[in-house]
Amino acid sequence: AQSVTQLGSHVSVSEGALVLLRCNYSSSVPPYLFWYVQYPNQGLQLLLKYTTGATLVKGINGFEAEFKKSETSFHLTKPSAHMSDAAEYFCAVSDRLTGTASKLTFGTGTRLQVTL
Amino acid sequence: EPEVTQTPSHQVTQMGQEVILRCVPISNHLYFYWYRQILGQKVEFLVSFYNNEISEKSEIFDDQFSVERPDGSNFTLKIRSTKLEDSAMYFCASSEYGGGANEQFFGPGTRLTVL
Repeated sequence: AQSVTQLGSHVSVSEGALVLLRCNYSSSVPPYLFWYVQYPNQGLQLLLKYTTGATLVKGINGFEAEFKKSETSFHLTKPSAHMSDAAEYFCAVSDRLTGTASKLTFGTGTRLQVTL
Repeated sequence: EPEVTQTPSHQVTQMGQEVILRCVPISNHLYFYWYRQILGQKVEFLVSFYNNEISEKSEIFDDQFSVERPDGSNFTLKIRSTKLEDSAMYFCASSEYGGGANEQFFGPGTRLTVL
């Protein structure tokens, strides 16, 4: 069975500082990997995903993540935090299935706080 | 921009009552999902639905739960006899294509409170 671990339920950074949110997965076969963001009172929005190809993927709002198979990690980074980045961030994995409904398995989430 | 909508945003019910949570997926999407998030816990998969039948369901999705696509636009989750432990945020999601690589679009959620 797949699982996702997000280290740090709360992360606080200063505006302009580097954002690093950690995600490790456990799966017998490297899965598809996703980062979702949830702003207050809103649904989950896809930030970025890794399926195949280049292991460094870029997403919306200046975020990027690198798939490291040897470390079973998919950490999310942003060089310079902005106040508007304050939200809950979820790492998720999905099976390498095609042509069928495929569930997402989520981590517990990391709440990012950005301070002045 | 098309979006998934859910109603109501907040539902309060008494234990043992039936509730129906409603979702309107994005119109050209064919794959539908329900997830839930108990306060302070992770988002958990409940069920997936395609071609008018359940594709997969989790252990949580027992006989008290059912899903339906009653018309061409709505996708509903019914809980027949609610329990206290059903209190959670319920998210509907949809995707245009199947397969694990495809993005699922989420609605804003329905907060269910069982008293």
